[in-house]
Amino acid sequence: QKEVEQNSGPLSVPEGAIASLNCTYSDRGSQSFFWYRQYSGKSPELIMFIYSNGDKEDGRFTAQLNKASQYVSLLIRDSQPSDSATYLCAVKDYKLSFGAGTTVTVRA
Amino acid sequence: DTGVSQDPRHKITKRGQNVTFRCDPISEHNRLYWYRQTLGQGPEFLTYFQNEAQLEKSRLLSDRFSAERPKGSFSTLEIQRTEQGDSAMYLCASSLGGIIGTDSEAFFGQGTRLTVV
Repeated sequence: QKEVEQNSGPLSVPEGAIASLNCTYSDRGSQSFFWYRQYSGKSPELIMFIYSNGDKEDGRFTAQLNKASQYVSLLIRDSQPSDSATYLCAVKDYKLSFGAGTTVTVRA
Repeated sequence: DTGVSQDPRHKITKRGQNVTFRCDPISEHNRLYWYRQTLGQGPEFLTYFQNEAQLEKSRLLSDRFSAERPKGSFSTLEIQRTEQGDSAMYLCASSLGGIIGTDSEAFFGQGTRLTVV
């Protein structure tokens, strides 16, 4: 079993819709969780981090964490074409372990 | 200091040659990481430094790979006798680590894209 698994994509959503991305992790002791956005050919860019159970909102992004279920999600509200990218879920103890990413395409 | 800096951005080399990449972390960050990413995959951990000490090396890091961070600031990653399978994006990230078990968010450099022909 991979350490971090993300829902397979690609995910296509119309402009203005909500994009929902899911991630599960295997290490129950993990404490820090991150979402990175990666445009094609570019390096990962940190967009959200969450350490506590519950929801964390930042602009159009909401991260949700459920440690009991070992589940992290990212919601992108009012999706824009500029949100089209690959979204990487990462879990950190002292190093980041990444999922394979979910590619999101926002249709204008 | 605007972020993590990597050099070069692109490198094309012939199989069998040695290559060296440099990473300059965010100045106050004491932790530095190297990752490798191939198309369609998430970044894979290679190695990690806290200050000048290399604390872990992935099994992915064969004997042809070596990394250093001599003064706890910039780091270099060298690949000897490159192979076509080494073609990938090599990413460096840094973070500020406190007491064991605590750490800040990690930020990535622009990456070095290596093509071995």
